[in-house]
Amino acid sequence: KQEVTQIPAALSVPEGENLVLNCSFTDSAIYNLQWFRQDPGKGLTSLLLIQSSQREQTSGRLNASLDKSSGRSTLYIAASQPGDSATYLCAVSSYNTDKLIFGTGTRLQVFP
Amino acid sequence: ETGVTQTPRHLVMGMTNKKSLKCEQHLGHNAMYWYKQSAKKPLELMFVYSLEERVENNSVPSRFSPECPNSSHLFLHLHTLQPEDSALYLCASSLRSWTGIAEQYFGPGTRLTVT
Repeated sequence: KQEVTQIPAALSVPEGENLVLNCSFTDSAIYNLQWFRQDPGKGLTSLLLIQSSQREQTSGRLNASLDKSSGRSTLYIAASQPGDSATYLCAVSSYNTDKLIFGTGTRLQVFP
Repeated sequence: ETGVTQTPRHLVMGMTNKKSLKCEQHLGHNAMYWYKQSAKKPLELMFVYSLEERVENNSVPSRFSPECPNSSHLFLHLHTLQPEDSALYLCASSLRSWTGIAEQYFGPGTRLTVT
């Protein structure tokens, strides 16, 4: 049974720092991995999707990497800003299934 | 409208009421999902309509009843709910191929309060 863990559960940093958020999964036979952002009381916003054959994806200040063999993904946020404050969730899907398995998230606060 | 929309955004209902949540996607996707998000708990998948089939989470109580009349619209019918059903209900959609699901897009959610 696939399990997804995110560390740390919460993070508070000053503006301008570079950050790394971690996501671990127990079954390496994944189809893809997706990173989301969620603001309080709102829906999830898709940030990056990495297919199982890819090693990384980039969008602006965000870079996500995937190491399937070790069951890990990292989300790197460069030059953090207060507007980056949110909960970040990773989720994995497997081949020929309809389910995304979510981690419990990392709550990020970036203060000025 | 673009993306995934949900109505209403907020709903307060009594335990004896019947109400429905609506979701609409304008992305040409062929799979739609209902999730429940309670405070301090991981997202819980409730129902999936994918490749013209319904896939259920058997732990979802029968007081929740989904309906998917076509690939763009999804409903969640609610009746005789309990206070513990108060949560954020999220709809999502994606493209589903025979190999798996692609990027999933979420709506803004319906905040449900059961009194």
